[in-house]
Amino acid sequence: AAGVIQSPRHLIKEKRETATLKCYPIPRHDTVYWYQQGPGQDPQFLISFYEKMQSDKGSIPDRFSAQQFSDYHSELNMSSLELGDSALYFCASSASFGSGSYEQYFGPGTRLTVT
Amino acid sequence: AQSVTQLDSQVPVFEEAPVELRCNYSSSVSVYLFWYVQYPNQGLQLLLKYLSGSTLVKGINGFEAEFNKSQTSFHLRKPSVHISDTAEYFCAVSDRGSGTYKYIFGTGTRLKVLA
Repeated sequence: AAGVIQSPRHLIKEKRETATLKCYPIPRHDTVYWYQQGPGQDPQFLISFYEKMQSDKGSIPDRFSAQQFSDYHSELNMSSLELGDSALYFCASSASFGSGSYEQYFGPGTRLTVT
Repeated sequence: AQSVTQLDSQVPVFEEAPVELRCNYSSSVSVYLFWYVQYPNQGLQLLLKYLSGSTLVKGINGFEAEFNKSQTSFHLRKPSVHISDTAEYFCAVSDRGSGTYKYIFGTGTRLKVLA
């Protein structure tokens, strides 16, 4: 079965650089969530999209932005990177709220290292 | 705001012994509850979920969990663990009233199965 695809899997950037993370949800899933997992920590919700519109926002820095495109893939753009942004970034997708399926399916994550 | 507590950060257990990983959530409003497993350098895999109905839910790999509304708990159990169960386990809550179903995660429990 198709899974959530994230690219790149690993990314190394220097401070003050920008990074773009991509997420391709499971086919027919219209909802995408982004989470940040710091070293030894639990995943923290950043932002979500439903039908290409932002549906919720969590602890996402103003330096970050995201969007969902017409094919439902999503991109997380991170600017002015800081050392503290080093983390594992997960994308998850889920089916429509009305489908009765509320679980999220997670991608393998993008490990961002800021030096 | 919803919060999730996993009281045990690490649980060592011998192979073939039973194990219980504890999870408590803060809010008594309607919630969906999930357990995920994370193997090193991998994404999150759904073990089981509680949406409604029977309070005892069975998941993959022999795991089960019991939803207890009065105690706001959702403890994960396995009657006999294997070495391959060594991993990080996360309890997650999705607030049905939030409208977006984002997850709030617990801080995780590292299960170490000993030979």
